[in-house]
Amino acid sequence: EAQVTQNPRYLITVTGKKLTVTCSQNMNHEYMSWYRQDPGLGLRQIYYSMNVEVTDKGDVPEGYKVSRKEKRNFPLILESPSPNQTSLYFCASSLYASQQGKYEQYFGPGTRLTVT
Amino acid sequence: GESVGLHLPTLSVQEGDNSIINCAYSNSASDYFIWYKQESGKGPQFIIDIRSNMDKRQGQRVTVLLNKTVKHLSLQIAATQPGDSAVYFCAEKYSNTGKLIFGQGTTLQVKP
Repeated sequence: EAQVTQNPRYLITVTGKKLTVTCSQNMNHEYMSWYRQDPGLGLRQIYYSMNVEVTDKGDVPEGYKVSRKEKRNFPLILESPSPNQTSLYFCASSLYASQQGKYEQYFGPGTRLTVT
Repeated sequence: GESVGLHLPTLSVQEGDNSIINCAYSNSASDYFIWYKQESGKGPQFIIDIRSNMDKRQGQRVTVLLNKTVKHLSLQIAATQPGDSAVYFCAEKYSNTGKLIFGQGTTLQVKP
């Protein structure tokens, strides 16, 4: 089944404790992206990757890191989480990232993160 | 920074009627626009997209209209059904990048 998976789905952690949220897709997609969703603010892009070893900042990259060593995986790293990073996080992927490509984006189920 | 906005936070329609959800965007250089649907407890789901060199695109029961002159995007849903109840987001892609900016969303409520 074609899908985007995220782990963990729920996480409660404390300020300053490094964490990683994994994202994996089995569709051989070039483009992958991370978003956070907060009430009243909609979806905001954190980082995106056009292909392996190519990553770029989205709208709200501060406090986050990503890597794209393999095509299927795009982990989101919070080196020192703070309470303002409490949010619902979504990973997404699309087949093509070229100039004329489509960005349909298949979204994962979301990871609800609470930082105390 | 620039952002994509939706005109109405909530839209309530009668089952069977047509729905129109509007979106205003700010970046005249954006080259690609997308509509997503998000049901409660789920991730967003792609509905339809349109490139900046087009002004209309039709899908199954949905039509997207793009007016670049006034930087306006709309999603029309024909014969709205209860299953269409969800939050709808528009998004714009900045030209020559993979950067996507989403609007805040419009909640569509379908009354039986």
